[in-house]
Amino acid sequence: GENVEQHPSTLSVQEGDSAVIKCTYSDSASNYFPWYKQELGKRPQLIIDIRSNVGEKKDQRIAVTLNKTAKHFSLHITETQPEDSAVYFCAAVDAGNMLTFGGGTRLMVKP
Amino acid sequence: GAVVSQHPSRVICKSGTSVKIECRSLDFQATTMFWYRQFPKQSLMLMATSNEGSKATYEQGVEKDKFLINHASLTLSTLTVTSAHPEDSSFYICSVTGTPNTEAFFGQGTRLTVV
Repeated sequence: GENVEQHPSTLSVQEGDSAVIKCTYSDSASNYFPWYKQELGKRPQLIIDIRSNVGEKKDQRIAVTLNKTAKHFSLHITETQPEDSAVYFCAAVDAGNMLTFGGGTRLMVKP
Repeated sequence: GAVVSQHPSRVICKSGTSVKIECRSLDFQATTMFWYRQFPKQSLMLMATSNEGSKATYEQGVEKDKFLINHASLTLSTLTVTSAHPEDSSFYICSVTGTPNTEAFFGQGTRLTVV
């Protein structure tokens, strides 16, 4: 089955700086890669996603890149704000529509 | 997107009792729903895939006789934790996916505490 590795597990940045979270996946058949933000005790919320036919996608301060050859994808958050503090999960969806999450990154944005 | 409602949001039960968690897809007919478990400071781990009208598919290491899943209709899947023990205390969350390779929609989650 699919295996998704996510790094770093914790990330602390100063407000206004950028944050980068990286993930790798194992199943070359995976073709959909969503990113979720989860606040304590809440459900995960989709923040951005990318499909395998696209190399990069941007939505305001958030961008995601995908390298299918290397099987890795990354989340970039620019101009971070305290409200960006949360746990972020990458995920990969395989050909069977199964969603596998990475281990999560706890992002802390210091004001 | 799909609206997924999960109940209860919190439950405390005594060790040895059973707890039922409901997951409803309010505006979408879901032939498949997914159940995840999340321990504190850990990721969401898939427990099982709930299939409407047939048996659930369990992930390796998940006891099917302990975590009973019923998906009797296109809008409702239930997870029953039988003979609960303190180690079953966790955050349980369901999800629904529309067409393949599209966004998954999550229920609110259920915080189960077994005392």
